[in-house]
Amino acid sequence: SAVISQKPSRDICQRGTSLTIQCQVDSQVTMMFWYRQQPGQSLTLIATANQGSEATYESGFVIDKFPISRPNLTFSTLTVSNMSPEDSSIYLCSVVDRGKGSYGYTFGSGTRLTVV
Amino acid sequence: DAKTTQPPSMDCAEGRAANLPCNHSTISGNEYVYWYRQIHSQGPQYIIHGLKNNETNEMASLIITEDRKSSTLILPHATLRDTAVYYCIVNLNRDDKIIFGKGTRLHILP
Repeated sequence: SAVISQKPSRDICQRGTSLTIQCQVDSQVTMMFWYRQQPGQSLTLIATANQGSEATYESGFVIDKFPISRPNLTFSTLTVSNMSPEDSSIYLCSVVDRGKGSYGYTFGSGTRLTVV
Repeated sequence: DAKTTQPPSMDCAEGRAANLPCNHSTISGNEYVYWYRQIHSQGPQYIIHGLKNNETNEMASLIITEDRKSSTLILPHATLRDTAVYYCIVNLNRDDKIIFGKGTRLHILP
């Protein structure tokens, strides 16, 4: 199955600053998805990132706050901009796993962000 | 919004079968039922999926009712490592974005 490397695994940031999260996949994928998981909550989809086009954002998420880059078929970044304590969450990327015998999505291990 | 309803939590004794129910009464004829689980501090992990027929793999079995309005994920011999949040998801196909509901928090009791 696909292997996703997500960096950083965790960070503590000052409010008002920005953090860029990287997601590297070991195979080419068309779509990459970014999720947020607030403490004690389920996962919420932030946006879908297609290579060569603008990301598609879900309701409640905007590009100015969560800009996404997708420069090629194996890499994407999510930036959390102008952070506040409410942005403290785990951020995860995922891809459709097209490996042999694979059927679902593969998720990265997540970036645990704490904003102070 | 998620198209599924699951109990918020369940307990199961170690070594026994864990049966996790899911209601998806508005499922359409070409939508699949997927199950994922999330062990603490990890990303979600795919378990199994099905359309109409019951399915079994090395991790679990999936029983889908004939009217497809509900399903049950069965972990045949639960271990402490199966303690996790289990998500039942309805998707048109695997390229669809996944919308997560609240899931069921399964506690395996020693």
